[in-house]
Amino acid sequence: AIRMTQSPSSLSASTGDRVTITCRASQGISSYLAWYQQKPGKAPKLLIYAASTLQSGVPSRFSGSGSGTDFTLTISCLQSEDFATYYCQQYYSYPCTFGQGTKLEIK
Amino acid sequence: QVQLVQSGAEVKKPGASVKVSCKASGYTFTSYGISWVRQAPGQGLEWMGWISAYNGNTNYAQKLQGRVTMTTDTSTSTAYMELRSLRSDDTAVYYCARDQVDTAMAFDYWGQGTLVTVSS
Repeated sequence: AIRMTQSPSSLSASTGDRVTITCRASQGISSYLAWYQQKPGKAPKLLIYAASTLQSGVPSRFSGSGSGTDFTLTISCLQSEDFATYYCQQYYSYPCTFGQGTKLEIK
Repeated sequence: QVQLVQSGAEVKKPGASVKVSCKASGYTFTSYGISWVRQAPGQGLEWMGWISAYNGNTNYAQKLQGRVTMTTDTSTSTAYMELRSLRSDDTAVYYCARDQVDTAMAFDYWGQGTLVTVSS
C-alpha cells in the first residue's frame, strides 16, 4: 500500500496567518491527491482534489500544489473556521490511504 | 442535492456482527461507487473498502478481508457494510462516501457517520 506522510502533525497559528501543510507519498501518485478538512464530530469535507483543483464552494484562500510524491496545502489567510484537522489522501490506487492528519490549533 | 444518510448508532458485543446502511439521494446511484471509511476514537481515517453501485464489484482492505462484506440495493439506492466477528478495536465511527465507478476520484460527499461501539 502507498504510505502517505503528513507534516507537521500539529500546528499552532493565529487568525490571518498563512500556513502550509505538506504530504509525501511513498511512491508516485501523479496528481491523484485530495485534501480534506475535518471538524470534531463531523464527517470529513473535501477541499481540494487532483492535487490543486478547488472543490466547489471552498474558499479561495485554500490552495493545493504538487505532483508525483510531494504535495502541499496552503491556507493563505487563516479564518477562525479553519481551525480543524486536515488529511491528505491518495486515490491513485486501492487501497486508498490517508495521511495521519495535521491538527491546526489557535495560537 | 446529493445526500448520504447513514443508519443510527450501534452497540455490539465482541464476536457479534453489525450492518450499517447508507442511503443515497440526489444523484444516479449506479453511476458511482461507495467507499467505507472508519475512524477510531481520537485516530485518523482508515479506508475499509469500495463497492461499485453499477455492478457490485468490490475491493476490500486486506486487514478486513474475510470479516467485511459490502453490498448495494439499487432499488432503494442504499449501500450496506457488514462487519463480523467484532472486536473492541472495531469501535469507531463508520462513514460511507461517494466514490468512483470507473475513474479514480476523491470522495466528494460523505455520510454523517455511524458510531459502532464494541463492548462486553
